[in-house]
Amino acid sequence: AQSVSQHNHHVILSEAASLELGCNYSYGGTVNLFWYVQYPGQHLQLLLKYFSGDPLVKGIKGFEAEFIKSKFSFNLRKPSVQWSDTAEYFCAVSSSGGYNKLIFGAGTRLAVHP
Amino acid sequence: EAGVAQSPRYKIIEKRQSVAFWCNPISGHATLYWYQQILGQGPKLLIQFQNNGVVDDSQLPKDRFSAERLKGVDSTLKIQPAKLEDSAVYLCASSLDGTGRMNTEAFFGQGTRLTVV
Repeated sequence: AQSVSQHNHHVILSEAASLELGCNYSYGGTVNLFWYVQYPGQHLQLLLKYFSGDPLVKGIKGFEAEFIKSKFSFNLRKPSVQWSDTAEYFCAVSSSGGYNKLIFGAGTRLAVHP
Repeated sequence: EAGVAQSPRYKIIEKRQSVAFWCNPISGHATLYWYQQILGQGPKLLIQFQNNGVVDDSQLPKDRFSAERLKGVDSTLKIQPAKLEDSAVYLCASSLDGTGRMNTEAFFGQGTRLTVV
């Protein structure tokens, strides 16, 4: 069965610090990978996605993620965070064939201080 | 384009009562998902529809939860009777095609926050 593990539950950073959030998944086949963000009081929004091709994907608001197949990882990065990046971040995975169930990790709550 | 619509936004009920949530997906989206998100946890998939058929309901507590998508468009999720541990946000999402024939992302509604007292 698919599963997703996010290593950090809470992260606190100062503005301009660099960010890396870890995500590992467990699935034996080809996967699609996603990072979703949930800003306070808002619905889940797609930050970026990987389906195939270049393993380094760029998303909105300066975020990027790198798919490392050998490590079953899809870590999220941003070189310099802003206060407005305060949110909860969820990594998700779906299988690339058949009916692709979309499975989420537990989430990482990021607080950025000015 | 209009997003995924859910109602109500909030609901408070007593345990053992019943409750229903409604979801209208993005027009043309074949796949509809219902998730349960308990405070501090990630969304847990309850049921996934492809058009009006169920493709996964392995984590749906079928003794008390039911869901339908009769015409392959909007959907309702019902809990009867509710328990205290059902307090959560219930999220509906839709995607263009969740069959794997094409790779698409899911779009989420605002959710319904359920409190069982």
